[in-house]
Amino acid sequence: GNSVTQMEGPVTLSEEAFLTINCTYTATGYPSLFWYVQYPGEGLQLLLKATKADDKGSNKGFEATYRKETTSFHLEKGSVQVSDSAVYFCALTGGFKTIFGAGTRLFVKA
Amino acid sequence: DAGVIQSPRHEVTEMGQEVTLRCKPISGHDYLFWYRQTMMRGLELLIYFNNNVPIDDSGMPEDRFSAKMPNASFSTLKIQPSEPRDSAVYFCASSTTPLAYEQYFGPGTRLTVT
Repeated sequence: GNSVTQMEGPVTLSEEAFLTINCTYTATGYPSLFWYVQYPGEGLQLLLKATKADDKGSNKGFEATYRKETTSFHLEKGSVQVSDSAVYFCALTGGFKTIFGAGTRLFVKA
Repeated sequence: DAGVIQSPRHEVTEMGQEVTLRCKPISGHDYLFWYRQTMMRGLELLIYFNNNVPIDDSGMPEDRFSAKMPNASFSTLKIQPSEPRDSAVYFCASSTTPLAYEQYFGPGTRLTVT
């Protein structure tokens, strides 16, 4: 079945550091891939998406590229801010359900 | 436009009591999802509806859990009787697309069963 694996956290970075959160997936067919972000006390919010191979999703300085050859969708940001501290979820949609990864908690220190 | 609305935001109840969680999806959305989030199991899909009809309830943990959607603007998730292991954050989400793209989540209900 479909599944998503993302790197365990927490990830702790200093402000302005480079961020990478790894995500790999297993799926049949051609799923769409997503990153969601969850701030403390809130629900998940869509951060970015990519619907086909080689697509790059981007939003708020975050980027991720749909790599079919490596079945990956790694999240990157060139310079993180304290306000980026949150839990990040990689997800895929195929068939009739969205499958979420376990989430990676990010702490950014000033 | 208002987002997904959930109530209550926090619920504390004793084991054996009935608990009802409520959700109002975004107007015009035809898919509604109920999730449960715990530290141990992460985010789990419990059930989802399309046009008020339950499509897949395979994630509902047991018969103590039930969900209804009497109309396009309201859904409930009921637990009867509640148990301490039901303690979690319950999210409702809605969507407009058939393959559940871009789900919009509510703020969640934090349930504590003592």
